[in-house]
Amino acid sequence: EIVLTQSPGTLSLSPGERATLSCRASQSVTYNYLAWYHQKPGQTPRLLIYGASSRATGIPDRFSGGGSGTDFTLTINRLEPEDFGVFYCQQYGSSPYTFGQGTKLQIK
Amino acid sequence: QVQLVESGGGVVQPGRSLRLSCAASGFIFNSYTMHWVRQAPGKGLEWLAVISYDGTNKYYGDSVKGRFTISRDNTRDTLYLQMNSLRTQDTGVYFCASGYRGGLESPAEPWGQGTLVIVSS
Repeated sequence: EIVLTQSPGTLSLSPGERATLSCRASQSVTYNYLAWYHQKPGQTPRLLIYGASSRATGIPDRFSGGGSGTDFTLTINRLEPEDFGVFYCQQYGSSPYTFGQGTKLQIK
Repeated sequence: QVQLVESGGGVVQPGRSLRLSCAASGFIFNSYTMHWVRQAPGKGLEWLAVISYDGTNKYYGDSVKGRFTISRDNTRDTLYLQMNSLRTQDTGVYFCASGYRGGLESPAEPWGQGTLVIVSS
């Protein structure tokens, strides 16, 4: 099983700032099949990024994903109030398709 | 409009069984991979299982392998999760989700609203 470790656990930033979230895999992610999700309190998760760097439908270009192999990042430029919540990475290249433990992005 | 509606959750005693359903509409169900994911109260996401568009391929998470079975009925546009030998740590909200493009190896999007399962004596 591939273990995904996200850092930091909590990130406190202000609207307008840039957020950089990290996801490290215990072994290489097959085909870089790495996704990022955003979950707001009381809501279901929403897919942001798939294939490490492709934005899902309707996701603004403020969100960008990068990395390969075992190290991946999610960058959010010009933070807006609706961006806050919890972000999860997930690898879906090899079963079981594991999630990271999440990074909470909170308003400073 | 794509819609996924889970049902079948409730309170169940440890060791008992429960079957969850996920009714799909607004898309061609028999063309898409489907997932089950759960979230324990106040915790993160845990991927449970995936099934191919035709039901022939299935993968499971380690914590549910041998106890849970994913299946689908493409004539009814419905996904199922049969949960046996339930444990207190199986408590949580269970989400179904469609595979987002691609085949069996696909991320989950969109998601249903979830159904709550509470395993307690």
